[in-house]
Amino acid sequence: DAGVIQSPRHEVTEMGQEVTLRCKPISGHNSLFWYRQTMMRGLELLIYFNNNVPIDDSGMPEDRFSAKMPNASFSTLKIQPSEPRDSAVYFCASSIMSYEQYFGPGTRLTVT
Amino acid sequence: AQKITQTQPGMFVQEKEAVTLDCTYDTSDPSYGLFWYKQPSSGEMIFLIYQGSYDQQNATEGRYSLNFQKARKSANLVISASQLGDSAMYFCAMREGRSTENYGQNFVFGPGTRLSVLP
Repeated sequence: DAGVIQSPRHEVTEMGQEVTLRCKPISGHNSLFWYRQTMMRGLELLIYFNNNVPIDDSGMPEDRFSAKMPNASFSTLKIQPSEPRDSAVYFCASSIMSYEQYFGPGTRLTVT
Repeated sequence: AQKITQTQPGMFVQEKEAVTLDCTYDTSDPSYGLFWYKQPSSGEMIFLIYQGSYDQQNATEGRYSLNFQKARKSANLVISASQLGDSAMYFCAMREGRSTENYGQNFVFGPGTRLSVLP
């Protein structure tokens, strides 16, 4: 069975550019989570969706960040404009209800 | 206040020995779930074990067991017979609310403990 799929795996961009991260959850999972991991702040929840509906986006750092889930098999996290402090590993995870979350491999974002 | 505390930034253990990684949590919700994840140097997050607040028995999964002490609000991970491949970051996480609810809930993760297994 395919796990959570994220693309790209690595992204290097210049400050000010738009960045779009993509996630395909495990088929049948109805909850999707976006996390950011940095050395300084650890693993932080940015936003999560239940049945494609955003439930809690209080972790989204600022208006430059936005996330969508147009259907049960796809979600995007967009940063516009990107800044060097956005450099981090971004994880997508999915779950059935509130059972264990399964993580994707992550996207390592570097903003120069 | 921190909801998940992992007081050991780093731990060393000799191969084939057992090791305990500490986790304490803070919640006023009577229903909650506790999870442990492993993150090796390759970066992926791997689910290891789950304990529900109403579970009567401590959870076990192969070489992993969870020492759940509800009154102390602790959920320590015990790894028996350590292997070199166990070297990784280990994260404790908590979900507040009943697992039977028909929606996902966010997890709160601790800062992690880096375990190094020595040959």
